[in-house]
Amino acid sequence: DAKTTQPNSMESNEEEPVHLPCNHSTISGTDYIHWYRQLPSQGPEYVIHGLTSNVNNRMASLAIAEDRKSSTLILHRATLRDAAVYYCILRDWGSQGNLIFGKGTKLSVKP
Amino acid sequence: DGGITQSPKYLFRKEGQNVTLSCEQNLNHDAMYWYRQDPGQGLRLIYYSQIVNDFQKGDIAEGYSVSREKKESFPLTVTSAQKNPTAFYLCASSIGGQGAWETQYFGPGTRLLVL
Repeated sequence: DAKTTQPNSMESNEEEPVHLPCNHSTISGTDYIHWYRQLPSQGPEYVIHGLTSNVNNRMASLAIAEDRKSSTLILHRATLRDAAVYYCILRDWGSQGNLIFGKGTKLSVKP
Repeated sequence: DGGITQSPKYLFRKEGQNVTLSCEQNLNHDAMYWYRQDPGQGLRLIYYSQIVNDFQKGDIAEGYSVSREKKESFPLTVTSAQKNPTAFYLCASSIGGQGAWETQYFGPGTRLLVL
């Protein structure tokens, strides 16, 4: 699986949008882009994933660059509950199935 | 509600002792995984199983053992050979394991401490 690069930490104010960047310059044509988040002392939870087109769900939006070498997770209105570590992960077909986690981006949300 | 359960939430191990962490899922998923997380780090794969009665070593399998006798259960034993077992252990499952689009569902984790 190709490698991703994320900032170590970001800060946001409550009720403002948050844009979490991820660089993946060595992405292959069949890699899916996944985002998970981990709240303190909990297991990770799925946020969103996509291949080429932008994606929206009830939790967030995923904006994928046209060349697919970067993507951005967008939280439209940050809440205190969104304070977590956010992981950007690439998955290819036929791998052993596990997710390869980096250190992620620690998001702090200020009231 | 479907999901993954792990027990216990906290586990204490004495020197030289084997301990077993439980992981159960009722999502009817074929694939199950065990990860280890150390403070401030991402998760690392210990073992995974894509079908009953079959499992493979992950990146850090030394000192650990697993079994997969039932689809819904994937217990992890931390043996005395694991010299640094203090960590947060996470179990996960997914539908089949090989699909690049597959979502993994994680349990709440077990925190293992050495006395």
